[in-house]
Amino acid sequence: DGGITQSPKYLFRKEGQNVTLSCEQNLNHDAMYWYRQDPGQGLRLIYYSQIVNDFQKGDIAEGYSVSREKKESFPLTVTSAQKNPTAFYLCASSTVLLADTQYFGPGTRLTVL
Amino acid sequence: EDKVVQSPLSLVVHEGDTVTLNCSYEVTNFRSLLWYKQEKKAPTFLFMLTSSGIEKKSGRLSSILDKKELFSILNITATQTGDSAVYLCAVDHYYQGAQKLVFGQGTRLTINP
Repeated sequence: DGGITQSPKYLFRKEGQNVTLSCEQNLNHDAMYWYRQDPGQGLRLIYYSQIVNDFQKGDIAEGYSVSREKKESFPLTVTSAQKNPTAFYLCASSTVLLADTQYFGPGTRLTVL
Repeated sequence: EDKVVQSPLSLVVHEGDTVTLNCSYEVTNFRSLLWYKQEKKAPTFLFMLTSSGIEKKSGRLSSILDKKELFSILNITATQTGDSAVYLCAVDHYYQGAQKLVFGQGTRLTINP
């Protein structure tokens, strides 16, 4: 089955620890994205990548880092510099064709204690 | 600054009612407007609109775009409890060589039996 997987589904960490969220896709999509969603709010773009070994900051990149060493994988690290990391994190992918849609993974809910 | 505004933020109706959700936007390099339904996890795609005045329909759901007035509406007729969800509007635009989505805050729709 083609799709996007994220792991883990729920993640708990102590304040001050870095944590890495996994995102894998087998849709052969070139572009991948990370969003953050807070209660009662829409999605805000953290980082995105259009090709392997290249990525750009989104609207709220501070305190986060990413890598894109493989086309299928786009892990997100939430660092200790992120002031308020507790949120729901969504990964998405798309082709880079005009007027295409993004497909979303199931999300990871991160809680920092 | 690019922005997407949805209204109302929350709506509670009875099963069988018809609802209209609104989405207005101000973005540069508009490509398309998308509607998603989110039921606790990943948003699922509903519609993509690129042309003004052409209604898209899927069962009891329909949507239309007005590119002159910069808004879209999502209609749901004969609502059912399974329609309860957060409905997200997003505008796809071309920014710094990449496709990017700007999301609204979402409308939380609750259908009471």
